[in-house]
Amino acid sequence: SQQGEEDPQALSIQEGENATMNCSYKTSINNLQWYRQNSGRGLVHLILIRSNEREKHSGRLRVTLDTSKKSSSLLITASRAADTASYFCATDNSNFGNEKLTFGTGTRLTIIP
Amino acid sequence: DGGITQSPKYLFRKEGQNVTLSCEQNLNHDAMYWYRQDPGQGLRLIYYSQIVNDFQKGDIAEGYSVSREKKESFPLTVTSAQKNPTAFYLCASSRRTAHTDTQYFGPGTRLTVL
Repeated sequence: SQQGEEDPQALSIQEGENATMNCSYKTSINNLQWYRQNSGRGLVHLILIRSNEREKHSGRLRVTLDTSKKSSSLLITASRAADTASYFCATDNSNFGNEKLTFGTGTRLTIIP
Repeated sequence: DGGITQSPKYLFRKEGQNVTLSCEQNLNHDAMYWYRQDPGQGLRLIYYSQIVNDFQKGDIAEGYSVSREKKESFPLTVTSAQKNPTAFYLCASSRRTAHTDTQYFGPGTRLTVL
């Protein structure tokens, strides 16, 4: 079963607005990563947040992590048409070692020009 | 898509045929991965390899096989035993199989069974 579940499944906003998507997971993690996937393409890494961090920024991206609630959020500020993509969270399970990531089902973000 | 190539981009297979998907990386990464993605779904891990001549099954390995004879290459064979192989296949690599390592993805191969 998927470790991470993104919410919402789909999101449409006007260009220039902020977009927030959430990820919930079930078991303890070492870190959480966010990836972007343009339609029909491979995934691109966006940001990694460690379990002992609460917030991290990268350009227009802001990620938060709440380990007590087993959840993370990705905020994209001042959205652009080029941000249209699917966004996935990925977690490793600290109980089962470090060999692999488990990806969520993704949030499909559409930016309306 | 950063140093990882997959070929072909599109692949059509008749039922009962085995097909091999290519994945090559020039990032000098030790670890490589194969994922399957179905429409509207996340990624599911098929196989991964931490080092040359070694690989482990992922969550959905049945009907698939891999080899890792060279550090740069990790081909995936979809066998006739895979009952529903139509999907988008993604190859990835990372410096190590460590939880702090970013995975770098290829552009994917879309496999369709006719």
